[in-house]
Amino acid sequence: GENVEQHPSTLSVQEGDSAVIKCTYSDSASNYFPWYKQELGKRPQLIIDIRSNVGEKKDQRIAVTLNKTAKHFSLHITETQPEDSAVYFCAATPNRDDKIIFGKGTRLHILP
Amino acid sequence: EPEVTQTPSHQVTQMGQEVILRCVPISNHLYFYWYRQILGQKVEFLVSFYNNEISEKSEIFDDQFSVERPDGSNFTLKIRSTKLEDSAMYFCASSEGVAPQFFGPGTRLTVL
Repeated sequence: GENVEQHPSTLSVQEGDSAVIKCTYSDSASNYFPWYKQELGKRPQLIIDIRSNVGEKKDQRIAVTLNKTAKHFSLHITETQPEDSAVYFCAATPNRDDKIIFGKGTRLHILP
Repeated sequence: EPEVTQTPSHQVTQMGQEVILRCVPISNHLYFYWYRQILGQKVEFLVSFYNNEISEKSEIFDDQFSVERPDGSNFTLKIRSTKLEDSAMYFCASSEGVAPQFFGPGTRLTVL
């Protein structure tokens, strides 16, 4: 089955700098890649997603890139702010399946 | 903006007892899911439900687990005889199509 690897597990970034989180997936048939942000004790919230027919997607300070050949995708957050501090999960949906397979998460700390 | 809701927010039970976790998905959504998250770990898929039947389940979702949509709004997860290792945060999610999925606030299950 699908396996999603995510790194780093922890990332500390100075406020205003950029943060990059990287993920790889194993099932070449996976076609949908969402990113979720989870604040302490809260629900995972979808922040951006990308489908396999697109190489890049941007929404304000957040962007995601997808390299299907290498089977990896990345989240980029620019001009980081204190409210960006959270755990970020990458995920993949295997083709024709509806379940989401999550990575282990990256704890992002924005330093003042 | 409509959201997935879950009750209770916290459930404490004795080992061997039955628990029912309740979810109200977003009203026009057709796909329903349960995930769990053991403290500090990633979110894991349990089961997906569509058209009044289970469409997929994970290895975690054994005979002790069942799901039901008893009426037009609720979606429940039942654990027949809870074990200590069932202690986790349980998230319900729903989607209009296969993706994207929107998560509820979770039920923290503590098995003593």
